[in-house]
Amino acid sequence: GDSVTQMEGPVTLSEEAFLTINCTYTATGYPSLFWYVQYPGEGLQLLLKATKADDKGSNKGFEATYRKETTSFHLEKGSVQVSDSAVYFCALSRWGGGSNYKLTFGKGTLLTVNP
Amino acid sequence: DTEVTQTPKHLVMGMTNKKSLKCEQHMGHRAMYWYKQKAKKPPELMFVYSYEKLSINESVPSRFSPECPNSSLLNLHLHALQPEDSALYLCASSQESASPDLYNEQFFGPGTRLTVL
Repeated sequence: GDSVTQMEGPVTLSEEAFLTINCTYTATGYPSLFWYVQYPGEGLQLLLKATKADDKGSNKGFEATYRKETTSFHLEKGSVQVSDSAVYFCALSRWGGGSNYKLTFGKGTLLTVNP
Repeated sequence: DTEVTQTPKHLVMGMTNKKSLKCEQHMGHRAMYWYKQKAKKPPELMFVYSYEKLSINESVPSRFSPECPNSSLLNLHLHALQPEDSALYLCASSQESASPDLYNEQFFGPGTRLTVL
């Protein structure tokens, strides 16, 4: 079945540091890939998405590129801020084969950014 | 309006109580979802409604009873819950399409923090 593996952390960085959170996936066909962010005490917000190979999703300074050859969708940001402290979930969706409507999540990565 | 709203924000209930969680969206989405999220874990899918009909029930205990009264509203009725049911309950919605290019971008609400005593 489908699966998503992401580095679990926790990750602790200083403000303005470079961020990478690794995410790899296993799925048949051509899944769509997402990064969701969950700030403390809140629901999930879609951060960025990519629907086909070589697509780059970007939002709020975060980027991730859909790499089919390495089945990866790593999240990066050049300079993190304290306000980026949150849990980040990598996820995939695939239509068909009983997977309709289902999001497969990674376990989440807690990011803490210190001033 | 690109928002999913949920009420109440917090709920404390005893094991013999009956309560309901409510979810609303006005994005014209025809698929709506209930998730359960325990601390430090990803959300777990409970139910999916498509065009107001129950499409997926992920073997959820019958003490959780979903209802979709119309295309904008989704309820989760709770009865005889156990302390282990304490969690954050998230509602989400997405577009519906028969297109093979559909990707399942789900929009989440802020959640209801449920505590069962």
